[in-house]
Amino acid sequence: DAKTTQPTSMDCAEGRAANLPCNHSTISGNEYVYWYRQIHSQGPQYIIHGLKNNETNEMASLIITEDRKSSTLILPHATLRDTAVYYCIVRVNFGNEKLTFGTGTRLTIIP
Amino acid sequence: EAGVTQFPSHSVIEKGQTVTLRCDPISGHDNLYWYRRVMGKEIKFLLHFVKESKQDESGMPNNRFLAERTGGTYSTLKVQPAELEDSGVYFCASSQDWTDSYEQYFGPGTRLTVT
Repeated sequence: DAKTTQPTSMDCAEGRAANLPCNHSTISGNEYVYWYRQIHSQGPQYIIHGLKNNETNEMASLIITEDRKSSTLILPHATLRDTAVYYCIVRVNFGNEKLTFGTGTRLTIIP
Repeated sequence: EAGVTQFPSHSVIEKGQTVTLRCDPISGHDNLYWYRRVMGKEIKFLLHFVKESKQDESGMPNNRFLAERTGGTYSTLKVQPAELEDSGVYFCASSQDWTDSYEQYFGPGTRLTVT
């Protein structure tokens, strides 16, 4: 699976949009971009995933650049409950299904 | 619908003892995974079951770890004998489809402390 690079930490004001970047310059054509988060003392939680088109669900939006070498997770209206470690993971969508977690970005929502 | 459950939530054992962790996946999920985070490190994959078969056990650290999934339902992860470096949080996850699976649902984890 391709390696990802994320900032170690970020702060965001409550109510504002949180934009979390991820670089995955070695991503292969059949690899998807996944985002998970881990809120303190809980198990990781799936947020969203995409291949090359932008995606949106009830939790977040995922913007993938045209060359697919980077992406941005957007939490449109961050709340205190969004404070967590966010992981950007790339992997194929079948076969080798394990998730390879990096160090992630520790997002802190400031009141 | 009940989520992935893990038992116990915490376990404290002495070095050399045996511990068995249990995971109950979401009903109907054929795929079951074990991961762990040891102190200060990243979450690491241990193994993957499809029903009762081990699909990928490349992440199992050594032969002190034994995972089973009899009948393709719940799974157990036994550590025997436990060592200090086994301390950490053990997560179980499950997912539904084989060829189109994408979302892994994680349990709350079992915190294992070996003293």
